[in-house]
Amino acid sequence: NAGVTQTPKFRVLKTGQSMTLLCAQDMNHEYMYWYRQDPGMGLRLIHYSVGEGTTAKGEVPDGYNVSRLKKQNFLLGLESAAPSQTSVYFCASSFRTSGRTGASTDTQYFGPGTRLTVL
Amino acid sequence: ELKVEQNPLFLSMQEGKNYTIYCNYSTTSDRLYWYRQDPGKSLESLFVLLSNGAVKQEGRLMASLDTKARLSTLHITAAVHDLSATYFCAVEVGNEKLTFGTGTRLTIIP
Repeated sequence: NAGVTQTPKFRVLKTGQSMTLLCAQDMNHEYMYWYRQDPGMGLRLIHYSVGEGTTAKGEVPDGYNVSRLKKQNFLLGLESAAPSQTSVYFCASSFRTSGRTGASTDTQYFGPGTRLTVL
Repeated sequence: ELKVEQNPLFLSMQEGKNYTIYCNYSTTSDRLYWYRQDPGKSLESLFVLLSNGAVKQEGRLMASLDTKARLSTLHITAAVHDLSATYFCAVEVGNEKLTFGTGTRLTIIP
């Protein structure tokens, strides 16, 4: 099993350009997530998905769009890149498990990351 | 809004010493995770703590959870250089997602 993979690993964009980051997982996980990591700020959730065809906003969704057309793939799009979107982007996935109050996320498995620079 | 605070943010410690990293969170949650990140690498799961009083141990690391105090600790025993990394706690929010602390960068000095 490859686990969680991300494409590309590195990318440099000019302001205003667009791009799509691909996340793929082969663990049959229901839940998938996109985070960004900036120095001194930990990981912040951009968007997430609890199943094929569903998406939801996280903490910092502005400037990003996502799609989950297949269960194993989760795409993150930047329509018009800005320097503030320079960051390391991590994808993660997890099983859905049962918590005290209903369905719950389980341990999240992370991809290797994509380092994006916007000039 | 859930807030997750870790302290200290930076920690330098000598090999062989013991120390504790603290993770405080602001609202009720029953699931807390600890992750490790090496420089330039991805995050690796260390522990998941599922209930009040839960304790997990792996090698020189031991994590505990007190849901009443909204506090988790990661205790390092007799530190070795290989434990140098950034450690994150993460708290489950609304059953579907996690909120991460800002991380504790641990450096073990020979």
